[in-house]
Amino acid sequence: NAGVTQTPKFQVLKTGQSMTLQCAQDMNHEYMSWYRQDPGMGLRLIHYSVGAGITDQGEVPNGYNVSRSTTEDFPLRLLSAAPSQTSVYFCASSRSYNEQFFGPGTRLTVL
Amino acid sequence: GQQLNQSPQSMFIQEGEDVSMNCTSSSIFNTWLWYKQDPGEGPVLLIALYKAGELTSNGRLTAQFGITRKDSFLNISASIPSDVGIYFCAGFSGNTGKLIFGQGTTLQVKP
Repeated sequence: NAGVTQTPKFQVLKTGQSMTLQCAQDMNHEYMSWYRQDPGMGLRLIHYSVGAGITDQGEVPNGYNVSRSTTEDFPLRLLSAAPSQTSVYFCASSRSYNEQFFGPGTRLTVL
Repeated sequence: GQQLNQSPQSMFIQEGEDVSMNCTSSSIFNTWLWYKQDPGEGPVLLIALYKAGELTSNGRLTAQFGITRKDSFLNISASIPSDVGIYFCAGFSGNTGKLIFGQGTTLQVKP
């Protein structure tokens, strides 16, 4: 099993550009989520999904969109990047809500 | 919203010493989780706690789910250099269906 994979590992964007962060898991987990990690603030939940076709907002959803068309994939879209979105983004998956397995992260810089 | 207060923020200890860190919340949680994050990696689950009062060990690590369900602690005995990293607590609430993370404790171990 590859576990949770994320691409790209690093990305630099200009303000106003859009992009999609990819996340895939091969463990047949129903629950997937996106977090951002900023210094001194732990991990904050952006969006999550409890199964294909079902998504919901987390703590900091503004500026991000998600969709879940398959069990395996859960992409995160930045519609119009802003410097405040400079962060490390982690995708996670789990069989149930709580014991989440994390991917290696995407380090995003918005200039 | 729900918040977790994790302390201490950072620790610098000598190899061989024991370490203790804790998390407190104003809200009740159904599950407490402890994660470790190595530099440049995603968090990795160390211990999961499901019942108030539960005490669980994983090698040199011991964690407890507080009786009030509003706190948890993690102890590391006889620290070694590879214990270096950021330790996160996380609480899961059945009411919100979301996993909330503490701000993290950065541990440095001097050989």
